Amino acid sequence: RKEVEQDPGPFNVPEGATVAFNCTYSNSASQSFFWYRQDCRKEPKLLMSVYSSGNEDGRFTAQLNRASQYISLLIRDSKLSDSATYLCVVTTNDYKLSFGAGTTVTVRA
Amino acid sequence: ETGVTQTPRHLVMGMTNKKSLKCEQHLGHNAMYWYKQSAKKPLELMFVYSLEERVENNSVPSRFSPECPNSSHLFLHLHTLQPEDSALYLCASSPGLQGGGSTDTQYFGPGTRLTVL
Repeated sequence: RKEVEQDPGPFNVPEGATVAFNCTYSNSASQSFFWYRQDCRKEPKLLMSVYSSGNEDGRFTAQLNRASQYISLLIRDSKLSDSATYLCVVTTNDYKLSFGAGTTVTVRA
Repeated sequence: ETGVTQTPRHLVMGMTNKKSLKCEQHLGHNAMYWYKQSAKKPLELMFVYSLEERVENNSVPSRFSPECPNSSHLFLHLHTLQPEDSALYLCASSPGLQGGGSTDTQYFGPGTRLTVL
């Protein structure tokens, strides 16, 4: 079983729509969770950390469900500039980062 | 501007060549990382350095040899590579080691796109 699994998509949505997707992780000892964004042929950049109580940053909302071992990302009022691949990242207490293969989101005009 | 630079940005090499990838971070971070990203696959962590000491080596073939002369520079020396080693090689840095509940951000360089013929 992969350490971090994501639906690869693509999720094709119109501007203004809401899109949400999950990421599951296999190691119950995982402690830190992040969403990174990677544009085509560019490096990954941190989008947001995911806290136990869930957190929101503008149009982006992240949730953590430890019982079911998944995190989620919701994007409201999608913009064309939100088109990217979203990487789920999970760390354990041995400083190992595990990346998902990414979920591709395409926002169309 | 991420504060992490990598050179070269593109590299084409034959299987018998020896080349080196360079990474430099201008952020005053203590930890540096090498990752490999192949098409449609997750990033694979290759090496981790903390304060110039290697703390992780994820069973990487010996044809990849890292070097960290100081906390700002990280090299990846390549020799006798195989075509399947063609990938995007990303360097990253963070203030301290990740994990253990740390929310330290990793900052990535732009990567070196390597093609092995």
